[in-house]
Amino acid sequence: DSGVTQTPKHLITATGQRVTLRCSPRSGDLSVYWYQQSLDQGLQFLIQYYNGEERAKGNILERFSAQQFPDLHSELNLSSLELGDSALYFCASSRSGRTDTQYFGPGTRLTVL
Amino acid sequence: QQPVQSPQAVILREGEDAVINCSSSKALYSVHWYRQKHGEAPIFLMILLKGGEQKGHDKISASFNEKKQQSSLYLTASQLSYSGTYFCGTEKFGAAGNKLTFGGGTRVLVKP
Repeated sequence: DSGVTQTPKHLITATGQRVTLRCSPRSGDLSVYWYQQSLDQGLQFLIQYYNGEERAKGNILERFSAQQFPDLHSELNLSSLELGDSALYFCASSRSGRTDTQYFGPGTRLTVL
Repeated sequence: QQPVQSPQAVILREGEDAVINCSSSKALYSVHWYRQKHGEAPIFLMILLKGGEQKGHDKISASFNEKKQQSSLYLTASQLSYSGTYFCGTEKFGAAGNKLTFGGGTRVLVKP
């Protein structure tokens, strides 16, 4: 158990819908990262927040957005969902905002029907 | 551009050794190694910073050759628990934050 929690564990929804994934980092960690893992794309970095501010951005679609709240938990919002958005979404956290160990949460499996 | 891992898959008998390579076309600041079992979260193994250092975790060690922009992960005297998919994550020089670009993974199966 890494200490990173993610909810929900599974999510099944329909195309065109909007969902919110939630992540709580390890105690004391200030950075939160979001990754998407699908069979054909591997593990893809989406975005990083550090102490409430966006720190780094990957190939995150415009339909996706994220934020980190004052209590350091983070939410990833996915809208206008498409079949291709079906994937495992991981949140990770680290102590600092620079080169540091990232601890991954158990993931949220999103299925878009 | 994601780093290239080789081989894509390897099958070992318990006690055998294996090497997994991770190559990048970009100048790297650090390389991170993770192991993931099916349906589970990636588990951190080690970070290597520029400087060619070698690190170890149990009987798993790694090296980083910054001139070649290549890292190698060494599985020594493999155990059944070493089975899983190994990913390298690379951090480019000058990249913002702690952004990692992961390779496609190497599947390792250790048989009794």
